[in-house]
Amino acid sequence: QSALTQPASVSGSPGQSITISCTGTSSDIGSYNYVSWYQQHPGKAPEVMIYAVSQRPSGISNRFSGSKSGNTASLTISGLQAEDEADYYCSSYTSTATDVVFGGGTRLTVL
Amino acid sequence: QVQLQESGPGLVKPSETLSLTCSVSDGSISGFYWSWIRQPPGKGLEYIGYKYYGGSSNYNLSLKSRLTISIDASEKQFSLRLTSVTAADTAVYYCARLRYSYGPFDSWGQGTLVIVSS
Repeated sequence: QSALTQPASVSGSPGQSITISCTGTSSDIGSYNYVSWYQQHPGKAPEVMIYAVSQRPSGISNRFSGSKSGNTASLTISGLQAEDEADYYCSSYTSTATDVVFGGGTRLTVL
Repeated sequence: QVQLQESGPGLVKPSETLSLTCSVSDGSISGFYWSWIRQPPGKGLEYIGYKYYGGSSNYNLSLKSRLTISIDASEKQFSLRLTSVTAADTAVYYCARLRYSYGPFDSWGQGTLVIVSS
């Protein structure tokens, strides 16, 4: 069982917006602005899309945005494109002895 | 852009030791946290641990008793050693650079599948 909780799947049509949630606790998301989001296409390594809750690495489309409220972080993808179909994982720093925790992953389907 | 490449056996027998190496190119090994993450077939990502160039380390509590991560700065490599493996350790193992101890994993290797089987 993952430390962070994500929905197993979400879907949307091209051009629409979707949001993926990531729920943690006061030991991780609730206390630190160190949430990252990763995109993983089948057979490929993950790629960071968002870090520090809402920061985009260089080269990442501004269609990807992140936010946080309380113990829940969210990834929003606007203007959905076919290439966005992938698995998405959140991660957070945690004050437990293990510094990093991941969510279980969310499969995004572009209809 | 730093490049990471995992290497090591693709098949390990139960109860034996899994050893992988990650080679770092086109970037410095100093100043960063060098980490391992794994992904069992069809499942999600699992944080294994990291070693900082300066010496500190952090391991997933569930693996800590079996795990060692080390750095060979002269070779620009870092390694994973996991003892007493079982079938549950079968996974794609990724090496990754952790920019800070709190994230993000900003560069990843392509991953290497390790199967634990007799």
